[in-house]
Amino acid sequence: DAKTTQPPSMDCAEGRAANLPCNHSTISGNEYVYWYRQIHSQGPQYIIHGLKNNETNEMASLIITEDRKSSTLILPHATLRDTAVYYCIVRSLTNNNDMRFGAGTRLTVKP
Amino acid sequence: DSGVTQTPKHLITATGQRVTLRCSPRSGDLSVYWYQQSLDQGLQFLIQYYNGEERAKGNILERFSAQQFPDLHSELNLSSLELGDSALYFCASSVDWGQVGELFFGEGSRLTVL
Repeated sequence: DAKTTQPPSMDCAEGRAANLPCNHSTISGNEYVYWYRQIHSQGPQYIIHGLKNNETNEMASLIITEDRKSSTLILPHATLRDTAVYYCIVRSLTNNNDMRFGAGTRLTVKP
Repeated sequence: DSGVTQTPKHLITATGQRVTLRCSPRSGDLSVYWYQQSLDQGLQFLIQYYNGEERAKGNILERFSAQQFPDLHSELNLSSLELGDSALYFCASSVDWGQVGELFFGEGSRLTVL
């Protein structure tokens, strides 16, 4: 039962911003939005998470719409090393707070 | 380096056999999660433990079992192996349960069943 919908693939030019969308229209009030990425077959890497406010860290920015039904991960200056599968995950901190991954978006950064 | 250690990194075995995958979480982390990633299934959540107790169960087959020991390391046991069990198995850990914190993933154990 996927809680998120992401485009299967996207391309981005090196040096440009990569904007990765995610729909989570059934998100509940106590559920957070997390983003992870997986480079080739390495272990997934945490990027950022948020509840309702926009968040920024050294890797990326997370923009969550006011109704919380969608979000966008922004990599401000994509590099070739950002080529990866990006996963948007909705996670509850009550009951089961496991982290369930969907199919993700395969981002390809091109020179 | 996430601080999560998984062994072995690679394992080749035959159908019908049994294997054990081991995970040492980051120092201080009490929660351990197991995931399976095969080519046609993506990253599937299997099971979660917190301080030795099972807390959540995902798409884990009855042939698979796991446990978390008092020293907090965890083992995933896979028995009566089938060709379709060939996959990358990831372990992740987090500090607590029911908290906001991130999961830290190991580099995985690649299982090949011939």
